Amino acid sequence: GENVEQHPSTLSVQEGDSAVIKCTYSDSASNYFPWYKQELGKRPQLIIDIRSNVGEKKDQRIAVTLNKTAKHFSLHITETQPEDSAVYFCAARRTSYGKLTFGQGTILTVHP
Amino acid sequence: ETGVTQTPRHLVMGMTNKKSLKCEQHLGHNAMYWYKQSAKKPLELMFVYNFKEQTENNSVPSRFSPECPNSSHLFLHLHTLQPEDSALYLCASSRIQDSGGTGELFFGEGSRLTVL
Repeated sequence: GENVEQHPSTLSVQEGDSAVIKCTYSDSASNYFPWYKQELGKRPQLIIDIRSNVGEKKDQRIAVTLNKTAKHFSLHITETQPEDSAVYFCAARRTSYGKLTFGQGTILTVHP
Repeated sequence: ETGVTQTPRHLVMGMTNKKSLKCEQHLGHNAMYWYKQSAKKPLELMFVYNFKEQTENNSVPSRFSPECPNSSHLFLHLHTLQPEDSALYLCASSRIQDSGGTGELFFGEGSRLTVL
């Protein structure tokens, strides 16, 4: 089955800096890659996703890049703010019908 | 109330107790899921229900028993749990699209379970 590895497990940055979280996946047939943000004590919420027919997608301060050949995708957050502090999960899915396989999560802390 | 709601938010139970977790979605979705979230582990899919029919059981021990009476409600019945079952249990829902594909997952706030 699919295996998703996420790094780093913790990331600490200063406000205004950029943050990058990387994930690798094992199943070359995976074609959907969402990112979820989970604030402390809150539910995970989808913040951005990308499908395998594009290489990059951007939404304001967040962007996701996908390298299908290398089987990895990354989340980029620019101009970080303290409210970006949360746990971020990447995931991969093989088909529209398949289950999501999640990475282990990254605890991002943005210091004011 | 909108979204996905879970009750109770916190539950402490002994190993011989029987309890249930409840999930309700007000989004008109037709697929519901139970996930287990433990410290330093990925979110683990436990059960999937599509149109009230269980379509996936990820080798979950029989001490966890799901029930989906309709597309809006999902239960997780708990019996003779072990301390290692202590975790955050997240319910989620999604819409199965006309193409058969599964849309975005919407999660509930979770039920924090502690087994003594």
